Amino acid sequence: GAVVSQHPSWVICKSGTSVKIECRSLDFQATTMFWYRQFPKQSLMLMATSNEGSKATYEQGVEKDKFLINHASLTLSTLTVTSAHPEDSSFYICSARDSWWGQETQYFGPGTRLLVL
Amino acid sequence: EDKVVQSPLSLVVHEGDTVTLNCSYEVTNFRSLLWYKQEKKAPTFLFMLTSSGIEKKSGRLSSILDKKELFSILNITATQTGDSAVYLCAVALLGNSGGSNYKLTFGKGTLLTVNP
Repeated sequence: GAVVSQHPSWVICKSGTSVKIECRSLDFQATTMFWYRQFPKQSLMLMATSNEGSKATYEQGVEKDKFLINHASLTLSTLTVTSAHPEDSSFYICSARDSWWGQETQYFGPGTRLLVL
Repeated sequence: EDKVVQSPLSLVVHEGDTVTLNCSYEVTNFRSLLWYKQEKKAPTFLFMLTSSGIEKKSGRLSSILDKKELFSILNITATQTGDSAVYLCAVALLGNSGGSNYKLTFGKGTLLTVNP
């Protein structure tokens, strides 16, 4: 299947700092990427949909000014957690939409564990 | 509200057993159903199903979709300890703006534990 990378895989930061997470599709072009958050023993919750060259679409309850998303190219989307607080500690996962012959699926990156102290 | 419900929530079996995981859904604008396996990291893709009654197979895993009854099953035969994971079912929906706006809604997953 297609490969999606995420960087960094682990982040520990102090409260109040900003953290940037990169998501790259390595062997295909992804016009759409998605950002999810997963708390322990819970399922994935979609935070936002990122379309290349346009503004991200945020899910209800997700603050767009806190979670800044940029999708400047067909292979790269970034999520910046601004002024992170301990409650932002979570597992952040991106995925990229791959379309071929009208069939679509999403491939996930390996995830980024964020711990805010 | 779109819903994806997986059952059972957890399951413990012995190596060699066969398991069936269930996923039912109530959604608008259904596009496809996907199964993922999640170990300690992010989910890895298993199957995508769009048509009823056509079984998808990969080794000991197989899956089928019933769009009339709105459910899918994932079968694992001759289970191994390496099959221990959370299995996630997700339904791909068309967004309100049509094909350009597409997203996945996930079930809570089934935690499968395979004991030696």
